[in-house]
Amino acid sequence: NAGVTQTPKFRVLKTGQSMTLLCAQDMNHEYMYWYRQDPGMGLRLIHYSVGEGTTAKGEVPDGYNVSRLKKQNFLLGLESAAPSQTSVYFCASSYSGRGQYFGPGTRLTVT
Amino acid sequence: AQSVTQLGSHVSVSEGALVLLRCNYSSSVPPYLFWYVQYPNQGLQLLLKYTTGATLVKGINGFEAEFKKSETSFHLTKPSAHMSDAAEYFCAVRTNAGNMLTFGGGTRLMVKP
Repeated sequence: NAGVTQTPKFRVLKTGQSMTLLCAQDMNHEYMYWYRQDPGMGLRLIHYSVGEGTTAKGEVPDGYNVSRLKKQNFLLGLESAAPSQTSVYFCASSYSGRGQYFGPGTRLTVT
Repeated sequence: AQSVTQLGSHVSVSEGALVLLRCNYSSSVPPYLFWYVQYPNQGLQLLLKYTTGATLVKGINGFEAEFKKSETSFHLTKPSAHMSDAAEYFCAVRTNAGNMLTFGGGTRLMVKP
């Protein structure tokens, strides 16, 4: 099992550009999540999904969109990147009642 | 609403010394509690979890944590620190909705030779 994988690992964007981060899991988990991690602020939930075709907002959803067209994939989109979105992004997946399994992260810089 | 407080954003111990990382939580329902470890430039790895049953939970790498309901605490301990334990540690509590976790701000553990 590869677990949770994220693509790409690094990305540099200019302000106003768009991009999509891909998360894939091969554990047949129902739940998937996108977080951002910033120094001194821990992890903050952006969006999450409780199953294929469903998504919901987390703590900091503004400026992001998500889609879960297939159970194993969860996409995070930035339509118009801003410097405030410079961060490390983590995807995670889980079963109900279990701990979440995290991907290796994507380091995004917006200039 | 659930919340997690980790006392001490930085903790420094000598190799071989006791490791104690503090976590207090608030939860309106019986909590599920977790500790994660993050090594530099990596994702978070689950160390241990408490769901129900025995309040002393053992995890990987010699770590353990004790759920104390009366103190709303879930402190992480290890009897003897190793250099390889240097990392950032996150405590988390599960909410009911969507199996989401609320994380504490993290504690960076430094181990001195």
